[in-house]
Amino acid sequence: NAGVTQTPKFQVLKTGQSMTLQCAQDMNHEYMSWYRQDPGMGLRLIHYSVGAGITDQGEVPNGYNVSRSTTEDFPLRLLSAAPSQTSVYFCASSRPTGGPYGYTFGSGTRLTVV
Amino acid sequence: AQTVTQSQPEMSVQEAETVTLSCTYDTSENNYYLFWYKQPPSRQMILVIRQEAYKQQNATENRFSVNFQKAAKSFSLKISDSQLGDTAMYFCAFLLYGQNFVFGPGTRLSVLP
Repeated sequence: NAGVTQTPKFQVLKTGQSMTLQCAQDMNHEYMSWYRQDPGMGLRLIHYSVGAGITDQGEVPNGYNVSRSTTEDFPLRLLSAAPSQTSVYFCASSRPTGGPYGYTFGSGTRLTVV
Repeated sequence: AQTVTQSQPEMSVQEAETVTLSCTYDTSENNYYLFWYKQPPSRQMILVIRQEAYKQQNATENRFSVNFQKAAKSFSLKISDSQLGDTAMYFCAFLLYGQNFVFGPGTRLSVLP
């Protein structure tokens, strides 16, 4: 039981490049989400999903795309990276959605856009 | 919308002493959950303690305890007998059942030898 797996752990991109951050969970959690962590701002919600085929925007969705074709996977796509997207990204899951026992987090991806 | 405030960006404490981290939140709801998460230098987010708003008794997990004041919308974390391994960022978080977490900005705690 691996929990929530995020890849890669570190990434450097040039402005304008695209990439996908991968997130997979093996706990059959219906809820998955992406957060970004910036100094002094805590974790802010980018996108979330309450089940396969269902996604919705969070607080800071601009510049990011998501899809959820399976229960296990929830990739985050940056179509044209910008320096403002330099951050640490976390994927989190829970069962059920907003489950009262909290989230299981991945180990994070540190992304630098130069 | 709910908001979470942590007014102490940084704190330090001597090893073996006690420290309290503050958290306040704003909501008009009556039933909700509150959490403290720890993020050590490894970056992993670790659940420290959780509190259900309908329970009056304060949650305790070993050296970690909370002071939950529902009327004041306050949820502070007390760490007793601080250890070097407690050095981390601590995030307070609010959750309505069926919705998304709202996190505070975090408090960086340093435990000094």
